[in-house]
Amino acid sequence: GDSVTQMEGPVTLSEEAFLTINCTYTATGYPSLFWYVQYPGEGLQLLLKATKADDKGSNKGFEATYRKETTSFHLEKGSVQVSDSAVYFCALRRLYAGGTSYGKLTFGQGTILTVHP
Amino acid sequence: EAGVAQSPRYKIIEKRQSVAFWCNPISGHATLYWYQQILGQGPKLLIQFQNNGVVDDSQLPKDRFSAERLKGVDSTLKIQPAKLEDSAVYLCASSLGLAGGRADTQYFGPGTRLTVL
Repeated sequence: GDSVTQMEGPVTLSEEAFLTINCTYTATGYPSLFWYVQYPGEGLQLLLKATKADDKGSNKGFEATYRKETTSFHLEKGSVQVSDSAVYFCALRRLYAGGTSYGKLTFGQGTILTVHP
Repeated sequence: EAGVAQSPRYKIIEKRQSVAFWCNPISGHATLYWYQQILGQGPKLLIQFQNNGVVDDSQLPKDRFSAERLKGVDSTLKIQPAKLEDSAVYLCASSLGLAGGRADTQYFGPGTRLTVL
């Protein structure tokens, strides 16, 4: 079945450091890929997405590129801020058989990011 | 645009009691999802509705969990009787569905945190 594997956490960085959170996936067919973020005390929010190979999703200084050859969708940011402290989830979604509906999101286990001043 | 609404935000019950959660999706969204998020894990789909029909309930423990979406809008998720392992955050999400294409985005509510004692 479909699965998403994220790098082990938690990740602790100093402000302005470079961030990479690794994400690899296993899926049949051709999924769309997503990064969601969950800030403390808040719900899940879409951070960025990519729907086909070599697409780059970007938002709020974060980027991730859909790499079909390595089945990866790593999240990067050049200079993190304290306000980026949150839990980050990588996820995939594909069409159900028969094309009648887009299916569920399959999530990774999440990576806790803490950024210190 | 109003987001996905859920209530209650918190619920504490004893094992073997029953509980119900309510979700109001974003207006016009055909697809509604219920996810269970256990502490330290990514969300996992319990049930997906397309309008008022069930698309996927393969991971729903049907001996104790039930869900309905009357008139293709609001939805309720019920647990009866609850077990200790049901302690989790229950997330409701909605999306346009097929009308959104490959970039169809699921928008999440704030969740209901359930504690079973």
